Amino acid sequence: NAGVTQTPKFRVLKTGQSMTLLCAQDMNHEYMYWYRQDPGMGLRLIHYSVGEGTTAKGEVPDGYNVSRLKKQNFLLGLESAAPSQTSVYFCASSDISNTEAFFGQGTRLTVV
Amino acid sequence: QKEVEQDPGPLSVPEGAIVSLNCTYSNSAFQYFMWYRQYSRKGPELLMYTYSSGNKEDGRFTAQVDKSSKYISLFIRDSQPSDSATYLCAMSAYSSASKIIFGSGTRLSIRP
Repeated sequence: NAGVTQTPKFRVLKTGQSMTLLCAQDMNHEYMYWYRQDPGMGLRLIHYSVGEGTTAKGEVPDGYNVSRLKKQNFLLGLESAAPSQTSVYFCASSDISNTEAFFGQGTRLTVV
Repeated sequence: QKEVEQDPGPLSVPEGAIVSLNCTYSNSAFQYFMWYRQYSRKGPELLMYTYSSGNKEDGRFTAQVDKSSKYISLFIRDSQPSDSATYLCAMSAYSSASKIIFGSGTRLSIRP
């Protein structure tokens, strides 16, 4: 019973490097989300998807891109990492009722 | 103004005390109200959810929603040290394109 799995768990990037965070869910959920969590800021929505092939911007989308080519996967890309993107990133998924989001274990990203 | 406001705390109470956690919101379209608990270095987990106004009780936890005041609360009775965590309120509207919006979280510490 894997639920929501994020890869990688930790990463250190240099400014200007690019990377992709992978989120996979095995619950056949329609909705998937990427959040970032910073001290005192709570969870802020970066991008989300309401179904395969769809994406939408959240509160803080700048500097990030996403893709949902398969229903079970939601990818978050950083094209040119900046120190301001140092954060803990959480992926979540929910079914169509949207009453409960299941979270992954988080990815700790440091940009130096 | 943020859509969801939550006092970040930290809040420290003695074991056995009643704890009250609160959030206010501005979007009248919100209909699903959730409370998540997040332990250190873990992803958030759903504690309770309520649809529309009213109260919901689950063991030592009670969730209240007052839509007229745009105010929600979580009460914890007979608090235990194991309740020490960050509590996040979250909300969503009932629509196929809705998203879950989180408060900033309140850090709670229960002193033995």
